[in-house]
Formats: sequence, structure tokens, C-alpha cells
Amino acid sequence: DSGVTQTPKHLITATGQRVTLRCSPRSGDLSVYWYQQSLDQGLQFLIQYYNGEERAKGNILERFSAQQFPDLHSELNLSSLELGDSALYFCASSASTGGRTDTQYFGPGTRLTVL
Amino acid sequence: AQRVTQPEKLLSVFKGAPVELKCNYSYSGSPELFWYVQYSRQRLQLLLRHISRESIKGFTADLNKGETSFHLKKPFAQEEDSAMYYCALSSPSGGSYIPTFGRGTSLIVHP
Repeated sequence: DSGVTQTPKHLITATGQRVTLRCSPRSGDLSVYWYQQSLDQGLQFLIQYYNGEERAKGNILERFSAQQFPDLHSELNLSSLELGDSALYFCASSASTGGRTDTQYFGPGTRLTVL
Repeated sequence: AQRVTQPEKLLSVFKGAPVELKCNYSYSGSPELFWYVQYSRQRLQLLLRHISRESIKGFTADLNKGETSFHLKKPFAQEEDSAMYYCALSSPSGGSYIPTFGRGTSLIVHP
């Protein structure tokens, strides 16, 4: 499958813990985007990386961080987890830097449950 | 700041009926709008975008700058159109254009 992949599919953890979500972009795509989808906030943009460099930042908490590695996969690290961090986390990729008309290709998401 | 509003959480129609999923936006610049769709157990995917002015799966969307709307329409709904639909507006953020998504409308097409 050459589409965007995300692991794990599901993650259950406790408050105060730290987790890492992983994303591999489509073959050839250089940009990776992270989104959080919760019931009360909808789909919210967190951060974008392009070819290893941070490109754009959205409503990402200081407890959250991300990086993109030389092989272009990306990881989103969530620390000091709170109940409110429970959500679906999506990764998307695109071919370019993030142009006005770019299409983003989404992964299946990681469902995080914080107990 | 940009905003995308989808006023209907749920839209329920019968097969063969016309469908209109509403999307209104607030943006000071020249808008670039998209519709994304998520079918059951599938990932979110692009349905159509304003710049392409195309019809995908019978759906069309016209940008009305006067009414700041980008409603999605289909003249005859099919059961396979049942899905979650998201309207999105692309706007500059840092060095990129990032989509702002609406909350989504769940379309249910009954047989």
C-alpha cells in the first residue's frame, strides 16, 4: 500500500503518560501534516513538516511535539497526557510544500484514549 | 481569522432526491475551497476542489463569493453517497497553505 500509513490504530493510556504516534507519507510526498479530531473541536490542524523542516504550526499544545526524519516518516509525541487529549489523530501528506490548491492525502488515523 | 461553517450536522434524504450540503466561509482573501468525504471505514479523501470546476460522482460545488458559500450539490442521491462530508478552506499559515475544516455533515441516503 503506497498510501499514508499510521501506527498504532488504537492507543489506550493513562493520564500523565507520554505516547508516540507514527506516520509514513505516500511514496514521493515530502510534506506531512498532523491533525487532531475531537468531538467538540472538529478537525484541527496541529503542525506541518516539509522535507524534515517545520513548515507551519497550528493549534499545537506545548506538551505536543513532532518531527520528520530523513526517510520522511514523522512522529507526533504527546506528553503529560490529559483526558481531553483523547481524540483521533490524523496524518496527511502532500507532494509539495503546501500550496494553495494542494491535495492532502489522509491516513486512517490513530485513536487515542486517555483514561 | 478564517472560518468554515457547515450548519447541518446531519442530512437525511431518500434515494433519487436532490442533495445540497451547505458550506459557508469567512475569509478576507481570495478563497480556495475543497470538499472532502469520508465513507464508512475509509479514510478522509478529496472529493472535489473549487479550482478544478469538475463534477465528481455527480457532485458539483459552486463558489458564490457574494454569499460566501460553497455548497455541494447532487441532483439525484444514491445510497453509496452516504458518508461524512467536510468543507475546507485553504489559507496561508507560516510558509504553507493549510486547510481549515468545517465540522462536517453526515449524509444518509435511505433506499
